[in-house]
Amino acid sequence: AIQLTQSPSSLSTSVGDRVTIACRASQDISSALAWYQERPGEAPKLLIYDVSSLESGVPSRFSGSGSGTDFTLTISSLQPEDFATYYCQQFDSYPLTFGGGTKVEIK
Amino acid sequence: QVQLVESGGGVVQPGRSLRLSCAASKFTFSSYSMHWVRQAPGKGLEWVAVISSDGITKHHADSVKGRFTISRDNSKNTLFLQMNSLRSDDTAVYFCARDRTLIPVVPIFQHWGQGTLVTVSS
Repeated sequence: AIQLTQSPSSLSTSVGDRVTIACRASQDISSALAWYQERPGEAPKLLIYDVSSLESGVPSRFSGSGSGTDFTLTISSLQPEDFATYYCQQFDSYPLTFGGGTKVEIK
Repeated sequence: QVQLVESGGGVVQPGRSLRLSCAASKFTFSSYSMHWVRQAPGKGLEWVAVISSDGITKHHADSVKGRFTISRDNSKNTLFLQMNSLRSDDTAVYFCARDRTLIPVVPIFQHWGQGTLVTVSS
């Protein structure tokens, strides 16, 4: 199975800050990567698919980049509603796998 | 607005069985692949199983293979997860999720239910 390693596992930051979350795959997954946001008590929400395509309705402060094995989710200016846990997911092959998550907390 | 409503969770003893359901509405259920994803308390997301739109093709995670079976009833717009030989590490919230697109069939989870909690404990 393809393993996804996210870093950092958590970070403390402030409103208005730029946040970058990394996701590394154990093998080349081309562009088969998505990002999700999960707020406490809510179902996960799709943010980005195919590495950099923004899901409809998702604010443009979210962006994704990368290819092959190294990927990044960037939030350009953190808003109060962005404090949540973020997961990457590969859909290159089964079994589908998620990264371990990155919790973004208020400093 | 796509709706996915899970049910069937609860407390069950180790070794016993449970069947989860996911009632789908506001979209053409029979056209989409569907998934189960779970989340243990305080842990991350784990994909469990997928079933094709016609119910023929299925994949299960290694952690549940041989114990869990995904199925669907397109006439009733319902997805199922039959869970046998349950273990304590199966304790989790179980979400059903729908693929983002009809064609191509790409396992990206655009729509999620709110989840149903399964607790395996004696």
